[in-house]
Amino acid sequence: QSALTQPASVSGSPGQSITISCTGTSSDIGAYTFVSWYQHHPGEAPKLILYDVTYRPSGVSNRFSGSKSGNTASLTISGLQAEDEADYYCSSYTNTISPYVFGTGTKVTVL
Amino acid sequence: QVQLQQSGPGLLQPSQTLTLTCVISGDSVSRNNAAWNWIRQSPSRGLEWLGRTYYRSRWYRDYEVSVQGRITINPDTSKNQFSLQLNSVTPDDTALYYCARANYNSPSVPFDSWGQGTPVTVSS
Repeated sequence: QSALTQPASVSGSPGQSITISCTGTSSDIGAYTFVSWYQHHPGEAPKLILYDVTYRPSGVSNRFSGSKSGNTASLTISGLQAEDEADYYCSSYTNTISPYVFGTGTKVTVL
Repeated sequence: QVQLQQSGPGLLQPSQTLTLTCVISGDSVSRNNAAWNWIRQSPSRGLEWLGRTYYRSRWYRDYEVSVQGRITINPDTSKNQFSLQLNSVTPDDTALYYCARANYNSPSVPFDSWGQGTPVTVSS
């Protein structure tokens, strides 16, 4: 499977909102609501921040929200904070022998 | 609170076998609605899912097509851990390797717990 396409970088000022897109195909994102998002601070383990497109695990800030339209999923970070500076990856799950495909990753910079 | 603790060598020569272990605490490798995965990250490939093992009345293993034939993921119920074995490594296998739990409580089966990561370098 080909990787999902994300912008290489997105930046914003503290307090602003930013949106990261994740584009797949009609065989993955377009077919299912099985999209997850991960936040990765270098040197730390990745952290699940959204699953099933819109759901947040316990303890994850409600500043993170997700949506999906057609073959594209999106992660929005509202009220951008310095601690949000990290790499973000989307992932789609399919019930096949190679069940996961990740996005190419987006580096978020807080200006 | 599940914790995953990884161990294994970080430097290999080409053609050697990479073996990593992930010890599970706070959960069971045999739990019916979980799967135990290996994922790697490199600058050239980003995040790449390698494979998983899970128990549903018997043990199952699934592998990414690009490493199939070189990879084995095995559970060890006596030690509540699982392992990754990757044969005939090349410099292209240089990456940061993670173990992770996938949770079947959600349709997207997300990775909700991760190990600390093991940097692996393949070089002569």
